[in-house]
Amino acid sequence: EAGVAQSPRYKIIEKRQSVAFWCNPISGHATLYWYQQILGQGPKLLIQFQNNGVVDDSQLPKDRFSAERLKGVDSTLKIQPAKLEDSAVYLCASSHGQGNNEQFFGPGTRLTVL
Amino acid sequence: DQQVKQNSPSLSVQEGRISILNCDYTNSMFDYFLWYKKYPAEGPTFLISISSIKDKNEDGRFTVFLNKSAKHLSLHIVPSQPGDSAVYFCAASVEADKLIFGTGTRLQVFP
Repeated sequence: EAGVAQSPRYKIIEKRQSVAFWCNPISGHATLYWYQQILGQGPKLLIQFQNNGVVDDSQLPKDRFSAERLKGVDSTLKIQPAKLEDSAVYLCASSHGQGNNEQFFGPGTRLTVL
Repeated sequence: DQQVKQNSPSLSVQEGRISILNCDYTNSMFDYFLWYKKYPAEGPTFLISISSIKDKNEDGRFTVFLNKSAKHLSLHIVPSQPGDSAVYFCAASVEADKLIFGTGTRLQVFP
């Protein structure tokens, strides 16, 4: 079974530029999550999708971050414009359903904002 | 407000001995707890979980203990192996809601 795929693996941009990350979850997984992990901290949930609908985006900075999962499969997370404090690893995870189902994580995208 | 805390940023243990990783939480509504393991340049991998209705769950060399009155859980690895060297994250949730992660503990198992 293929795991969660993410691209790119690394990205370096200057502040005020825009950036997009892509995630392809495990086949058949209805729930998709985007996390932000700042150095020295644990992952923090940004947004959760159930199929193509948003379940929780309470911690997504909506003035600059956006995410979509149009066909209920893969997803993109965008930052526009980026700030220095957005430097982090962005992790995508998927699970069969919501709640206590095991979440499978991708390798993440390391973003550096200069 | 850090609801899930891992106060030891690092732990060093000799191969074959027991590794004990600790996690404290503040929200008494948490009813499900998980441990994830993370190697460099990889995403976290699920290790073991426990429901609040239990106080112990065991899976091979890994055992998680939950003390609800103290709002404390621990992960025991016996015996520790060099391949266990990684960062371990504790996570918790309320009624199947989103996971709240701790800051992680870096475990190093030396020969």
